[in-house]
Amino acid sequence: DTGVSQDPRHKITKRGQNVTFRCDPISEHNRLYWYRQTLGQGPEFLTYFQNEAQLEKSRLLSDRFSAERPKGSFSTLEIQRTEQGDSAMYLCASSLAYEQFFGPGTRLTVL
Amino acid sequence: GENVEQHPSTLSVQEGDSAVIKCTYSDSASNYFPWYKQELGKRPQLIIDIRSNVGEKKDQRIAVTLNKTAKHFSLHITETQPEDSAVYFCAGGTSYGKLTFGQGTILTVHP
Repeated sequence: DTGVSQDPRHKITKRGQNVTFRCDPISEHNRLYWYRQTLGQGPEFLTYFQNEAQLEKSRLLSDRFSAERPKGSFSTLEIQRTEQGDSAMYLCASSLAYEQFFGPGTRLTVL
Repeated sequence: GENVEQHPSTLSVQEGDSAVIKCTYSDSASNYFPWYKQELGKRPQLIIDIRSNVGEKKDQRIAVTLNKTAKHFSLHITETQPEDSAVYFCAGGTSYGKLTFGQGTILTVHP
């Protein structure tokens, strides 16, 4: 499968715990995006990278959230001290030009 | 920042009828407008997109129109089929940058 992949697909955690998600973009795609989607809503932008540089972060992204793309390939999104409001689908997308291709997402449930 | 409004929120049609979904955007700097289809539990899939130097684009039963002056764009699906049933999202953004999504339209095609 040469599409965007994400791991894990599902994560259940207790409030206050830290979680980390991984995204592997389509090979050679230099841009990688993180979005969050809650039930009944469209994806909401969190942050994006061009190669290893983080170019933009949403103001919605609190300091509990951090993302990295250390070698310009895969990316990780970490949420520290999770809250129930963090429960959502976390989507990753990658692009080489205009078109953004999404991964299957990681569904986070915070109990 | 960009704000994208999408209407209607739900749309029910008979098989073979046409479906039209409309979106407006606020940021005149936006120049890229994709449409995504999302089936239940699946990733958003790009179905068609349009750039601001084009007024209309068609791909088989799907077409998108863009009116830059009025800042609105529309998705047209002709000869609808039950497999077209899904949630459709419009989005706006600048080339290579983040996308701002509309709230989504639940399309139901009745056989």
